[in-house]
Amino acid sequence: GDSVTQMEGPVTLSEEACLTINCTYTATGYPSLFWYVQYPGEGLQLLLKATKADDKGSNKGFEATYRKETTSFHLEKGSVQVSDSAVYFCALSGSAGGTSYGKLTFGQGTILTVHP
Amino acid sequence: DVKVTQSSRYLVKRTGEKVFLECVQDMDHENMFWYRQDPGLGLRLIYFSYDVKMKEKGDIPEGYSVSREKKERFSLILESASTNQTSMYLCASSPAGGRDYGYTFGSGTRLTVV
Repeated sequence: GDSVTQMEGPVTLSEEACLTINCTYTATGYPSLFWYVQYPGEGLQLLLKATKADDKGSNKGFEATYRKETTSFHLEKGSVQVSDSAVYFCALSGSAGGTSYGKLTFGQGTILTVHP
Repeated sequence: DVKVTQSSRYLVKRTGEKVFLECVQDMDHENMFWYRQDPGLGLRLIYFSYDVKMKEKGDIPEGYSVSREKKERFSLILESASTNQTSMYLCASSPAGGRDYGYTFGSGTRLTVV
């Protein structure tokens, strides 16, 4: 079945450092890919998404590119802020065909802490 | 602003109680989902529903049931709460054919069973 593997955390960075959180997936066909962010005590919010190969999703300075050849969707940001401290989840939505009801398969989550 | 609203942010219940967690969405979405989130285990799907009165088991349905009598409301029921059901519960919704949409999540209910 479908699966998502995320970089183990936690990740600790200083403000203005570069961020990469790795995400690779296993799926049949052509899934859609997502990054969600969860701030302390909150639910998950959609950060960005890509629905086909070579698409780049971007939001709030974060970017991720759908790489079918390496089955990856790594999250990147050039300069992190303290306010970016959160848990980040990579997810995929089942490929076309079959009855998936848009169910998402999530990675384990990566905790990011940014220090001033 | 579109929303998924969970009725309680924090709940404390006693072992053996019947517990209802309520979720309401105002986006006219067909699909609704209940997950629990535990440290080190990520998000695990309990149940989902793709239409009124329809439900499907997720990965960990044991000890839970659900009800969807109206399109906008999806309730999670703990028939007899146990301490191992202490967790963060997250509700989400998506439109039919929502493969490219992803989910909209509620803010979560942190349930403690004592």
